[in-house]
Amino acid sequence: AQSVTQPDIHITVSEGASLELRCNYSYGATPYLFWYVQSPGQGLQLLLKYFSGDTLVQGIKGFEAEFKRSQSSFNLRKPSVHWSDAAEYFCAVLPPGTYKYIFGTGTRLKVLA
Amino acid sequence: DAGVIQSPRHEVTEMGQEVTLRCKPISGHDYLFWYRQTMMRGLELLIYFNNNVPIDDSGMPEDRFSAKMPNASFSTLKIQPSEPRDSAVYFCASSLAQKAFFGQGTRLTVV
Repeated sequence: AQSVTQPDIHITVSEGASLELRCNYSYGATPYLFWYVQSPGQGLQLLLKYFSGDTLVQGIKGFEAEFKRSQSSFNLRKPSVHWSDAAEYFCAVLPPGTYKYIFGTGTRLKVLA
Repeated sequence: DAGVIQSPRHEVTEMGQEVTLRCKPISGHDYLFWYRQTMMRGLELLIYFNNNVPIDDSGMPEDRFSAKMPNASFSTLKIQPSEPRDSAVYFCASSLAQKAFFGQGTRLTVV
């Protein structure tokens, strides 16, 4: 079945530490891939996207993500987390030939001072 | 651009009442989506439009739900009659070139 998996429901890191949020998908062909961030009471904000080409993509707020076809993964990373990064992060895919964005269940990030 | 604008931000209504949620997409975007977010089910796509035409409404949970897009700058999601299990945050999003932008959502509480 087609799916998007974010295996970590909650992650806690200390401010200044590095961060990696995992995302795996299962589709026959490589979909378009996205990461969104949602702060409490807010909508989802697009952090970055992958359509094709360079497998390491840069986004806003110092985030980057790497597409690995062999692992069907699109993990989000940040070298040094700031307290303001505390939020919920969603991985999303857009299967080829459709406009039905499919979202993972989200990872809630807590940042310790 | 002001982004995707949804109204109201919060809505509390009694079971059985009609509820209308409104959305103004980003100008020039050709796709519009309605999502529902709950703790139990996460983000669910309800319906989406392309150039004001409904393309896929397979996510609409029941006939009590309906959505319209009378023009490129306005869409509504209506629930009639509302039930407590409809309580959720409803998001509208618009997109151009496969990049979707979300509104801030409407938090609906049906009591």
